[in-house]
Amino acid sequence: DIQMTQSPSSLSASLGDRVTITCQASQDISKHLNWYQQKPGKAPNLLIYDASYLEVGVPSRFSGSGSGTDFTFTISSLQSEDIATYYCQQYDNLPRTFGQGTRLDIK
Amino acid sequence: EVQLVESGGGLVQPGRSLRLSCTTSGFMFGDYAMSWFRQAPGEGLEWIGLITRRRNGETTEYAASVKGRFTISRDDTKSIAYLQMNGLKTEDTAVYYCVRGLGRISKYWGQGTRVTVSS
Repeated sequence: DIQMTQSPSSLSASLGDRVTITCQASQDISKHLNWYQQKPGKAPNLLIYDASYLEVGVPSRFSGSGSGTDFTFTISSLQSEDIATYYCQQYDNLPRTFGQGTRLDIK
Repeated sequence: EVQLVESGGGLVQPGRSLRLSCTTSGFMFGDYAMSWFRQAPGEGLEWIGLITRRRNGETTEYAASVKGRFTISRDDTKSIAYLQMNGLKTEDTAVYYCVRGLGRISKYWGQGTRVTVSS
C-alpha cells in the first residue's frame, strides 16, 4: 500500500496568512493526488485534483503543486470559512489512501 | 443535479450484518463505477472498495480490512449501489460514504450514513 504522510497534523494561523500543508507519498504517484476539505459533520469536498488542478467553483486562493512523491497545498490568504480539516489522497493505485489530515484553525 | 444518498445505517451488534444503500440521481448510473469510503469517529478517511461498470464486468476490489466480510454490488435498473457488511466488528463503527467513480477524481460524495457496532 502507498503510505501518505501529511504534515502538520494541526495548524493555527491568522486570517490573511499564507498556509501550507505538505504530503509525501511512499512511492512515486506521478500527479495522481487530490486535496479535500472537510468540515465537521460534512462529506469531504474536492478542492484540487491531479495535484494542481482547481476543481470548478473552488476559490483561487487554494492551490496545489508537486509530482512524484512530494506535494504541497497552499491557501494564499486564510479566510474564516477555510477552517476545516484538509486531506491529501492518492489515486495512483489501489487501495486509495489518505494522509492523516491537517486540522486548521484560527489563531 | 448529481445526488447520492446513503441509507441503512444504524446500531448493530458485533457479528451481525447490515446492508447500506446508495441511491443516486442526476446522472447515468450505469456509466460510472461506484466506490465506498468510511470515517471512524474522530479519525481520517479510509477507502473500503469499489465496483466497476457492467461493461467492465462489475469487478469489485476491497480494502484488506473488509475483504471477505463486505460485498459491494449494484442495481443499474434502480441506480443504487449497495454495501453488504457481514461479521461486523466494533472497529467498523464509522460514517460510510458512497462516491461516484473509481475513487480517483471524486467530486460527488453522499452525505454519509452512520454505522455503530456495539453490544
